[in-house]
Amino acid sequence: NAGVTQTPKFQVLKTGQSMTLQCAQDMNHEYMSWYRQDPGMGLRLIHYSVGAGITDQGEVPNGYNVSRSTTEDFPLRLLSAAPSQTSVYFCASSSQLGWADTQYFGPGTRLTVL
Amino acid sequence: AQSVTQPDIHITVSEGASLELRCNYSYGATPYLFWYVQSPGQGLQLLLKYFSGDTLVQGIKGFEAEFKRSQSSFNLRKPSVHWSDAAEYFCAVGAGGNTGKLIFGQGTTLQVKP
Repeated sequence: NAGVTQTPKFQVLKTGQSMTLQCAQDMNHEYMSWYRQDPGMGLRLIHYSVGAGITDQGEVPNGYNVSRSTTEDFPLRLLSAAPSQTSVYFCASSSQLGWADTQYFGPGTRLTVL
Repeated sequence: AQSVTQPDIHITVSEGASLELRCNYSYGATPYLFWYVQSPGQGLQLLLKYFSGDTLVQGIKGFEAEFKRSQSSFNLRKPSVHWSDAAEYFCAVGAGGNTGKLIFGQGTTLQVKP
């Protein structure tokens, strides 16, 4: 199993540009989520999904969109990038709701918005 | 509101010395508690978790943690630190409900001196 994979590993954007961060898992997990990690703030939940076709907002959803058309994939879209979105983004998956089970994290995408 | 506090931002220990990383949480019900480790440039890996039962939990890589309800703490310990333990450590509590959210502490960076 590859586990949770994320692409790209690094990305630099200009303010106003859009892009999609990709996340895929091969463990047949129902629950997937996106976190952002900022210095001194731990990880904060952006969006999550409890299964294909079902998504919902987390703690810091503004400026991000998600969709879940398959069990395996959970892309995160930045609609119009802002410098405040400079961060490291982690995708995670688990077989049950994230708080009730081990979450498996991808290696992260480091995003810089100029 | 639920929260997690890791009082120590940075800790340095000598190789072979014992280690204790502190974690305090605020949560109304019985918490689901986790410790994750993040090596440089990597995603997060679960060290151990507490859901119920025995308050002393064993994890991977020789780590253990003790849940103390009276002190709202879930401190991580290791009797003898290895240089490879240098990493950032996150304590987290499961938020419950339908969000699946984990609430993370700010993280503690561990440096190991030879």
